Amino acid sequence: NAGVTQTPKFRVLKTGQSMTLLCAQDMNHEYMYWYRQDPGMGLRLIHYSVGEGTTAKGEVPDGYNVSRLKKQNFLLGLESAAPSQTSVYFCASIKASSYNEQFFGPGTRLTVL
Amino acid sequence: GENVEQHPSTLSVQEGDSAVIKCTYSDSASNYFPWYKQELGKRPQLIIDIRSNVGEKKDQRIAVTLNKTAKHFSLHITETQPEDSAVYFCAEREQGGSEKLVFGKGTKLTVNP
Repeated sequence: NAGVTQTPKFRVLKTGQSMTLLCAQDMNHEYMYWYRQDPGMGLRLIHYSVGEGTTAKGEVPDGYNVSRLKKQNFLLGLESAAPSQTSVYFCASIKASSYNEQFFGPGTRLTVL
Repeated sequence: GENVEQHPSTLSVQEGDSAVIKCTYSDSASNYFPWYKQELGKRPQLIIDIRSNVGEKKDQRIAVTLNKTAKHFSLHITETQPEDSAVYFCAEREQGGSEKLVFGKGTKLTVNP
């Protein structure tokens, strides 16, 4: 099993450009999450999904959109990138029952110039 | 919303010493508290967790204690080794069925040889 994978690993954007980050998991997990990690700020939840076709806002959703058309994929979109969105983005997934480990992807380092 | 305070933000110890990281949480209904370790440039990985019906849990050199009355929990690492150097995150799981985790801001632990 590959676990949780993320594409791309690195990306540099100019202000105003758009892009989509892809998260894929092969563990048949129901729940998936997108976080951003900034120095000294820990992991902050952007959006999450509890199942195919459902999404919900997390702590810092502004400027991002998500879609979960297939159970194994969770996409994070930036429609008009801003320098404040420079960060490391982590995807995670978990099986839908109590006390299960949340598995993280390797991360995507995004720089917006 | 839920909030997790984590202290200290940085911790430096000599190899062989013990390290303690403390977290406090706000939601008295929270019942699951994981700890994640993140090495430089890597993804966060679960190292130990504790449920609210348990006061302490140990796994070799790592232990976690939970005080529900005071709403705080701690990570204890004994006989520290250089490979323990990393950023450690505590978290609490939100109630509501989404398995969302609220993370502390992290503690950078440095173990000096």
